[in-house]
Amino acid sequence: DAKTTQPTSMDCAEGRAANLPCNHSTISGNEYVYWYRQIHSQGPQYIIHGLKNNETNEMASLIITEDRKSSTLILPHATLRDTAVYYCIVRGYNTDKLIFGTGTRLQVFP
Amino acid sequence: DGGITQSPKYLFRKEGQNVTLSCEQNLNHDAMYWYRQDPGQGLRLIYYSQIVNDFQKGDIAEGYSVSREKKESFPLTVTSAQKNPTAFYLCASTHRIAGGVDTQYFGPGTRLTVL
Repeated sequence: DAKTTQPTSMDCAEGRAANLPCNHSTISGNEYVYWYRQIHSQGPQYIIHGLKNNETNEMASLIITEDRKSSTLILPHATLRDTAVYYCIVRGYNTDKLIFGTGTRLQVFP
Repeated sequence: DGGITQSPKYLFRKEGQNVTLSCEQNLNHDAMYWYRQDPGQGLRLIYYSQIVNDFQKGDIAEGYSVSREKKESFPLTVTSAQKNPTAFYLCASTHRIAGGVDTQYFGPGTRLTVL
């Protein structure tokens, strides 16, 4: 069973920031928060991951709350190509399995 | 061009036939994985291999078989024992690092339809 809870769907206007929330209230101290996205009929694409600190890369920013029970993925300037299903996954450092829930379907509109 | 390749992209088979899906990576990754995705659902782990000549069952291994004779290759066979084989199959790979595993990267997937 997925250890995370995400909204089923969200909309975002093109050019605006998309903020995707994720609840992981049962996360353990050595578990990372990973984000992937999947565009229709393609393989999941890795976006970003973090443990405690906020992280930023060329694709997105990840904000993790101090108690680590929730996080937010931020796409700073959403484009139509960001329309996809976004998965928030909690994974232990030495765990091979990624547990995917049903994710958040983000629709970016013009 | 480094990456993970899966072939073919679309595959059709008659019921009762075994079929083998290909997964190749040139990333020098140690571990490889097979996942299955049904419409509107997340991915579920079928099998994984941490090193050559070794593999472990995932959550839904029944009706599937794998081999890992080479580091670069991890083929998945969907056997006639798999009751509902029509699905989207995804292969992933990653490095093994001290005490754990690194980020998994996915191939483009193979959509299998059993008629």
